[in-house]
Amino acid sequence: DIVMTQTPLSSPVTLGQPASISCRSSQSLVHSDGNTYLSWLQQRPGQPPRLLIYKISNRFSGVPDRFSGSGAGTDFTLKISRVEAEDVGVYYCTQTTQFPHTFGQGTKLEIK
Amino acid sequence: QVQLVESGGGVVQPGGSLRLSCAASGFTFSTYGMRWVRQAPGKGLEWVAFIRYDGANRYYADSVNGRFTISRDNSKNTLYLQMNSLRAEDTAVYHCATESMRNWGQGTLVTVSS
Repeated sequence: DIVMTQTPLSSPVTLGQPASISCRSSQSLVHSDGNTYLSWLQQRPGQPPRLLIYKISNRFSGVPDRFSGSGAGTDFTLKISRVEAEDVGVYYCTQTTQFPHTFGQGTKLEIK
Repeated sequence: QVQLVESGGGVVQPGGSLRLSCAASGFTFSTYGMRWVRQAPGKGLEWVAFIRYDGANRYYADSVNGRFTISRDNSKNTLYLQMNSLRAEDTAVYHCATESMRNWGQGTLVTVSS
């Protein structure tokens, strides 16, 4: 199974400041079709998860452009350029390149 | 708009069974793979199972393989999860989601307890 490791697990951030979350996979996420199926999800308190980024760097419809994804192979990053109060929640990376699909442990973003 | 509505959760004794349903609307259900993802209280997300758009291929997490069965009825726009031999560690909110994870249901709570 592919293990997804996120760092940090907790990230206190000042409003208006940037935030960054790292996700590392135990093996390459490049699929045989050439795509890399690495996504980022946001889960606000009391809500179901919400897709932010798919295939490393593609923002889903309606996601603010302060969110961006990057990386390749086994190392990926989610960046928030300027954190807003509504960004509080837990962020997960997930791979759907290979079954079983797996999630990172989650990174809790909170405001200082 | 796309809607996914789970139902069927509840309290069940260890060793018991439950069947979850996920009613889909607002999109062509029969052309999308679907997944179940669960979240134990205070814990992270865990992928449970996936079924292809036509039901031809199904995949399971090791933790539920042999006990859970994912299925779908495209004529009813409904996804199912049959859960047998339930254990305390299966206690969680169960969400259905589309293959791309662009759409999620609110979830249904399953509690396994004596």
